[in-house]
Amino acid sequence: AQKVTQAQTEISVVEKEDVTLDCVYETRDTTYYLFWYKQPPSGELVFLIRRNSFDEQNEISGRYSWNFQKSTSSFNFTITASQVVDSAVYFCALRLGGTGANSKLTFGKGITLSVRP
Amino acid sequence: DGGITQSPKYLFRKEGQNVTLSCEQNLNHDAMYWYRQDPGQGLRLIYYSQIVNDFQKGDIAEGYSVSREKKESFPLTVTSAQKNPTAFYLCASSTGLQATTQYFGPGTRLTVL
Repeated sequence: AQKVTQAQTEISVVEKEDVTLDCVYETRDTTYYLFWYKQPPSGELVFLIRRNSFDEQNEISGRYSWNFQKSTSSFNFTITASQVVDSAVYFCALRLGGTGANSKLTFGKGITLSVRP
Repeated sequence: DGGITQSPKYLFRKEGQNVTLSCEQNLNHDAMYWYRQDPGQGLRLIYYSQIVNDFQKGDIAEGYSVSREKKESFPLTVTSAQKNPTAFYLCASSTGLQATTQYFGPGTRLTVL
């Protein structure tokens, strides 16, 4: 069975600091997808990024960057120069390849990020 | 604007009553999902549906029921058999079960009094 671990539960930083959110996953499948979602106080989950198991390229999008390493089964998320608007709960999730029951997302417990002005 | 709507945002129910949560999408997505979120926890899958008139149980389906009579609608009924129904419920959709990215609605917070 697959599993996602987000060992950090709460992180607090001062605005403009860089912060890294860790995600470790477990699966025996060779085809899988990894995601990060942001959940602001309003509650809606906002999709941030998807990564395929066969593509280990790191990704940068503005102040956000993601480091995918299959060797350590990790998919870490870094926010550069954090802002107050980044305050939210961040979830890492895993989906296996295929359809049916494999289409479900397995979530970590989330990391609450607080960015102080 | 295309998106997923859930109503109501907050719902209160007396113990022993059934209640139905609405989920509507105008994204023309084939697949729809219901997840449950408890405080300090990740989301867990309740039911999912690939096409109209078809749905499958997820990991925690006991005490819940769904229907999929229209492509754009996937209502969730929380029955009195659900032992601990107080939670935040999120609906999601994707272009199909093959599609890997799910997009979420704003959620409904259900409180049982």
